[in-house]
Amino acid sequence: QQQVKQSPQSLIVQKGGISIINCAYENTAFDYFPWYQQFPGKGPALLIAIRPDVSEKKEGRFTISFNKSAKQFSLHIMDSQPGDSATYFCAASKGGKLIFGQGTELSVKP
Amino acid sequence: GAGVSQSPSNKVTEKGKDVELRCDPISGHTALYWYRQSLGQGLEFLIYFQGNSAPDKSGLPSDRFSAERTGGSVSTLTIQRTQQEDSAVYLCASGGVTDTQYFGPGTRLTVL
Repeated sequence: QQQVKQSPQSLIVQKGGISIINCAYENTAFDYFPWYQQFPGKGPALLIAIRPDVSEKKEGRFTISFNKSAKQFSLHIMDSQPGDSATYFCAASKGGKLIFGQGTELSVKP
Repeated sequence: GAGVSQSPSNKVTEKGKDVELRCDPISGHTALYWYRQSLGQGLEFLIYFQGNSAPDKSGLPSDRFSAERTGGSVSTLTIQRTQQEDSAVYLCASGGVTDTQYFGPGTRLTVL
């Protein structure tokens, strides 16, 4: 009930392409779904977040798509840039602790 | 403004020794979290403090791990009798009135 499953584990995308990372959760009590970006040697930084009453949220080149019935959500990075190369984590929570996915290492090739 | 700070940034210790890791949250944040990041286990929740409420200790892996938060601000995570499997990056995060958690840079712990 507490797991969040993330895929793929690693992703290589050409500059200008679309990066798509998927997550699935089990606990229907979760009400907050953030995505974090982490660079080597740094702590995770919040990228974008969504609540289950919304099916899509867009901030700049980053979009979260949320499917409540399927218990899935995904991150889309449009016009991917080499500077987007990092590890991305999805997470879910209900009023407190975050349950994280296993992470996706994204590499954007110039 | 200042973000979450953690000290030390790196800690090397010998098996069996005790270690203390410190977290300074963002000023005014009432929520403070500790997580552990390791290659095999990803990012794991350890403990959560919210204001004056009793902490949520459900993620602590053993009774060798403990944490306290003094004066509703600074927190210390203590690991007693360290084991090699405790080697990881220990991350602290703080939060205010929203669900957003702001992470510090972490403390990399190596147990020899």
